Amino acid sequence: QSVLTQPPSVSGAPGQRVTISCTGSSSNIGAGYDVHWYQQLPGTAPKLLIYVNNNRPSGVPDRFSGSKSGTSASLAITGLQPEDEADYYCQSYDSTLSGSEMFGGGTKLTV
Amino acid sequence: QVQLVQSGAEVKKPGASVKVSCKASGYTFTTYHMHWVRQAPGQGLEWMGLIYSGGGTTNYAQKFQGRITMTRDTSTSTVYMELSSLRSEDTAVYFCARTLTWSSGYFEYWGQGTLVTVSS
Repeated sequence: QSVLTQPPSVSGAPGQRVTISCTGSSSNIGAGYDVHWYQQLPGTAPKLLIYVNNNRPSGVPDRFSGSKSGTSASLAITGLQPEDEADYYCQSYDSTLSGSEMFGGGTKLTV
Repeated sequence: QVQLVQSGAEVKKPGASVKVSCKASGYTFTTYHMHWVRQAPGQGLEWMGLIYSGGGTTNYAQKFQGRITMTRDTSTSTVYMELSSLRSEDTAVYFCARTLTWSSGYFEYWGQGTLVTVSS
């Protein structure tokens, strides 16, 4: 059971908009720690999609955007394309015990 | 360009140890921190710990305390992760990934992954 909670799956038709939530607590997102998002295609390493809540690395389309509020964060994908079908993970730091990075359980996006 | 190249797949028996390497290139090795993240078959990502490539300081996830060791060799820009007392539940793909900061950083670069299979 992950400290950061994501929906197991979301789906949308091509061209539509979907959002993926990431719910944490007062020891991670709620404490002000940044949230980062990754996309993982089958059999490959995760790819950084959004960093520091709402920033896109070079090469990531502006169809992808991130936001953060309180103890939660969200990833929005507009203009869904078939190649967006993948697993998506949020990540944040948790200050419990000696501190550690945490991942959400992952969300499977079906287009 | 930044590259993290990991060692090849391993098959180990329960109770044994495995040591996976991650060779970095394309950047100043000692400036960054290296993390290890694993993914069991069909499961999500699990953070295992990190090492500061400069000073060698480590922080391990509580779950792995006592059976994980991360080291680095600055002469070859290589980080190692050794996991002992292996059990079947340790069967997973192990990734190394780089961050600039000790905490709350993002994993911009990842290794290709190393499959470790634990089976009798």
